[in-house]
Amino acid sequence: DGGITQSPKYLFRKEGQNVTLSCEQNLNHDAMYWYRQDPGQGLRLIYYSQIVNDFQKGDIAEGYSVSREKKESFPLTVTSAQKNPTAFYLCASSVLQGASYEQYFGPGTRLTVT
Amino acid sequence: GENVEQHPSTLSVQEGDSAVIKCTYSDSASNYFPWYKQELGKGPQLIIDIRSNVGEKKDQRIAVTLNKTAKHFSLHITETQPEDSAVYFCAATPGAAGNKLTFGGGTRVLVKP
Repeated sequence: DGGITQSPKYLFRKEGQNVTLSCEQNLNHDAMYWYRQDPGQGLRLIYYSQIVNDFQKGDIAEGYSVSREKKESFPLTVTSAQKNPTAFYLCASSVLQGASYEQYFGPGTRLTVT
Repeated sequence: GENVEQHPSTLSVQEGDSAVIKCTYSDSASNYFPWYKQELGKGPQLIIDIRSNVGEKKDQRIAVTLNKTAKHFSLHITETQPEDSAVYFCAATPGAAGNKLTFGGGTRVLVKP
């Protein structure tokens, strides 16, 4: 079964702790992305990676870090420097179809920090 | 950078009626326009897309139109059903960043039985 998996579905942390969200894909897609979604809001890009061992900041990278050591994995660390970390986090990957990249999303991880 | 605006933010329709969601974009070089459906607590699902060399695309009850001159594109859902209730997002690929998407703010669609 091909797809994108994110774990866990729900995550609870105390303020001041770093937390790592997992994202794995077996679609053989080159590019992967992390988005943040707040209630009633759209999707904002945190980081993206086009190839292994390379990644770029998105629009709201402050307080987050990523790594891309394997093609199928793109974990996101929410650090204690992120001022408002409670949100729904979505991972995506993309594949080139013709001249454009189609993005597909995982099921998301809801992070609550208290 | 690219800016995508989406209207309306909420849309309530009677079952069987049509629903139309409109988006405008700012980057004239944008060439790919996907639409996503997001159900509560789930990740967005790609439902249809259109590329800049096409004016209209249909898939069963959904269709998307693109007007490159006016820089806007629309999603049309015909014969709406309760399972069409969800949040819909439009997006555009900025011309200079081929594998990044800029999303609209979303439209919450409620289909009343």
